[in-house]
Amino acid sequence: GAGVSQSPRYKVTKRGQDVTLRCDPISSHATLYWYQQALGQGPEFLTYFNYEAQPDKSGLPSDRFSAERPEGSISTLTIQRTEQRDSAMYRCASSQGGGETDTQYFGPGTRLTVL
Amino acid sequence: AQSVTQPDIHITVSEGASLELRCNYSYGATPYLFWYVQSPGQGLQLLLKYFSGDTLVQGIKGFEAEFKRSQSSFNLRKPSVHWSDAAEYFCAVGGTSGTYKYIFGTGTRLKVLA
Repeated sequence: GAGVSQSPRYKVTKRGQDVTLRCDPISSHATLYWYQQALGQGPEFLTYFNYEAQPDKSGLPSDRFSAERPEGSISTLTIQRTEQRDSAMYRCASSQGGGETDTQYFGPGTRLTVL
Repeated sequence: AQSVTQPDIHITVSEGASLELRCNYSYGATPYLFWYVQSPGQGLQLLLKYFSGDTLVQGIKGFEAEFKRSQSSFNLRKPSVHWSDAAEYFCAVGGTSGTYKYIFGTGTRLKVLA
């Protein structure tokens, strides 16, 4: 696609429910990143994929968080048993290659609110 | 640990005035440096980036930034601000510790007075 897209744009859920967020990267991009942005903060790295491989998931806050990219394109981020502290903007980005100098292009984000 | 500091949470300038947004980083080697802008309802848009070479880099929308190694700074500037520049600006460091993740500052929210 022309840019990175994310869905849904807004998600309200009740504590304890599971949620799945979706990211559709730029079609030619090999690398995909997930960030979490709490209110008043900058985005914080969660995990990234190089095609379907997930070399780094060091930023995932707990085992309730998981991500996958089974075919090396669309990715999902799942949060199980959501807690109020999970409320944040979740941002996806993609880059063409896996190099450190590759620019990351960001999607509009999914605003998650856990009641 | 690597970190990025944006000392100014909010900045207000008048339209037509000059602008400088501060960014300081903590990293042993020369990092890759970025400025992104976030407008309401929009994703983060890259304004400019610095990897090496000329320490003054030009970006989109009339922005520029200067890398100063001695001050560990990468401040963003614009000579004349337009009302449409009102947004939140994030400085980021990449390529640290051999990883691909960016480390972002907490952002500076810019308000432009007519």
